Amino acid sequence: GENVEQHPSTLSVQEGDSAVIKCTYSDSASNYFPWYKQELGKRPQLIIDIRSNVGEKKDQRIAVTLNKTAKHFSLHITETQPEDSAVYFCAAKYSGNTPLVFGKGTRLSVIA
Amino acid sequence: EPEVTQTPSHQVTQMGQEVILRCVPISNHLYFYWYRQILGQKVEFLVSFYNNEISEKSEIFDDQFSVERPDGSNFTLKIRSTKLEDSAMYFCASSQTGTPNTEAFFGQGTRLTVV
Repeated sequence: GENVEQHPSTLSVQEGDSAVIKCTYSDSASNYFPWYKQELGKRPQLIIDIRSNVGEKKDQRIAVTLNKTAKHFSLHITETQPEDSAVYFCAAKYSGNTPLVFGKGTRLSVIA
Repeated sequence: EPEVTQTPSHQVTQMGQEVILRCVPISNHLYFYWYRQILGQKVEFLVSFYNNEISEKSEIFDDQFSVERPDGSNFTLKIRSTKLEDSAMYFCASSQTGTPNTEAFFGQGTRLTVV
């Protein structure tokens, strides 16, 4: 089955700096790659996603890149703010109604 | 904005007891999921459900677990004979379709503590 690896497990950045979180996946059939943000004690919430026919997608300060050949995708957050502090999970999904497979998460701390 | 709702938010149970976790998916969604998250760890898939039957389950989802959609709105996860290691946050999720690029919406979770 699919396996998703995520790095780093923790990341601290100064407010205003950029943060990059990287994930790799094992199954070349996966074609949907969402990123979820989870604040302490709350539900995971989708912040951005990318389909396999797209190499990059941007939404304001957040961008995601996908390299299907290398089977990795990354989340980029620019101009980080303290409210960006949370755990971020990447995930991958096959075709059909197979479930999301999550990475282990990255705890991002933005230091004011 | 419609959302997935879960009850209770917290559940404390004695080891060996049975618990039922309840979820109300978004009304026009057809695919339902249960995930769990042990404290500080990643979100793990348990089971997916479509058309009144299980469509996929993980190795975690053994005979101790069962799911049911008893009516048109609720989706439940039953855990029989709970163990200490079942303590976790349990998330229900739903999606409109099962295709890969359909967003899965998560409920706020039920924190299960087995003592």
